[in-house]
Amino acid sequence: ETGVTQSPTHLIKTRGQQVTLRCSSQSGHNTVSWYQQALGQGPQFIFQYYREEENGRGNFPPRFSGLQFPNYSSELNVNALELDDSALYLCASSAPAKGRDSPLHFGNGTRLTVT
Amino acid sequence: QKEVEQNSGPLSVPEGAIASLNCTYSDRGSQSFFWYRQYSGKSPELIMFIYSNGDKEDGRFTAQLNKASQYVSLLIRDSQPSDSATYLCAVNFFGNEKLTFGTGTRLTIIP
Repeated sequence: ETGVTQSPTHLIKTRGQQVTLRCSSQSGHNTVSWYQQALGQGPQFIFQYYREEENGRGNFPPRFSGLQFPNYSSELNVNALELDDSALYLCASSAPAKGRDSPLHFGNGTRLTVT
Repeated sequence: QKEVEQNSGPLSVPEGAIASLNCTYSDRGSQSFFWYRQYSGKSPELIMFIYSNGDKEDGRFTAQLNKASQYVSLLIRDSQPSDSATYLCAVNFFGNEKLTFGTGTRLTIIP
């Protein structure tokens, strides 16, 4: 069974640029969640997609946006990059039963550095 | 504001001893509780989850949940140097579709 895969693994961008991060969910999982983990902090919830629709959003500005495709893969887009956006971006997929029955398994993450 | 609190450490434990990691959370309505292990530069790896009061054991790991005290802990028996990592506590608060994480406890096993 293939787990969650993310691309790219590392990325360096300049302040003000835009970035797209990609995530392929685990087979059979139709829910994808994105988290941001700054250095020395726990992951912070960005948003979740369920069957191609946003299903919950954390305290992140609108320049953080996402998509989920019919095959349940997902993209995270960040516009107008700021230095504080430098972080490890984590994607997790989960099984159709939501909530307490869906432990999250993360992909390897994308390390974004904004200079 | 729903919060998850952990002691950031570092926590140093001799090899072979029991490591005890603690976590408190703010909302009595919380449903699900998770422990993740994160090695430096890597993504978090799920090691335990618990939903009901009491103990849940998996190999050398035991998760303990006390909902009345809003407290969840992770015990690691026979600690090994490979257990040295940051341990993240995460809670799924009732009605939310997200996990709220603590800042993590850095554990060092001393050979």
